Amino acid sequence: KAGVTQTPRYLIKTRGQQVTLSCSPISGHRSVSWYQQTPGQGLQFLFEYFSETQRNKGNFPGRFSGRQFSNSRSEMNVSTLELGDSALYLCASRPPPARTEGEQYFGPGTRLTVT
Amino acid sequence: AQSVTQLGSHVSVSEGALVLLRCNYSSSVPPYLFWYVQYPNQGLQLLLKYTSAATLVKGINGFEAEFKKSETSFHLTKPSAHMSDAAEYFCAVLGSSNTGKLIFGQGTTLQVKP
Repeated sequence: KAGVTQTPRYLIKTRGQQVTLSCSPISGHRSVSWYQQTPGQGLQFLFEYFSETQRNKGNFPGRFSGRQFSNSRSEMNVSTLELGDSALYLCASRPPPARTEGEQYFGPGTRLTVT
Repeated sequence: AQSVTQLGSHVSVSEGALVLLRCNYSSSVPPYLFWYVQYPNQGLQLLLKYTSAATLVKGINGFEAEFKKSETSFHLTKPSAHMSDAAEYFCAVLGSSNTGKLIFGQGTTLQVKP
């Protein structure tokens, strides 16, 4: 089975721009979560989508948004980029909960640099 | 609210020595606990998980962890370190049941010296 894929892998944007990151989960996984990883704050949960609905949201400003499509692919969008948004953005997909509570499979991430 | 604390941001061991990475958790309910590993320029890979079935959990690459409720700990160990174990290790707790919200510790970088 193919793993979680994220595109693009690297991205450079300017302050004030917006960016869209894409994530394709493992086939059969319907839950997708997004995390931000920075040296200072570590790994922080952004949001989770399941069957095209946001189920959980972390403590991030409204500039961070996401969506999920009927094929379970997910996108996250960051508007009005700030320097502090520079981070590795990780996507993870989760199999059905029976016997696999909490297990997540991570993609390689998108490295976003804001200049 | 659930949280995890990893003691020691950097751990250095010699090849062949015991690896011990410490994690303490705080949870008001029986926790689901995880250890993940991250190699440079890669995503996170699940090493092992605790879901109350057994207190000693065996994972991939020879790692294991023991859940100790009395100490609220879930330390990761490996009897003999290999150079390929050099990576960053994260302990995590599930934020709530049947969700994808993981709460991570700050991470521990493991250095393995030849």
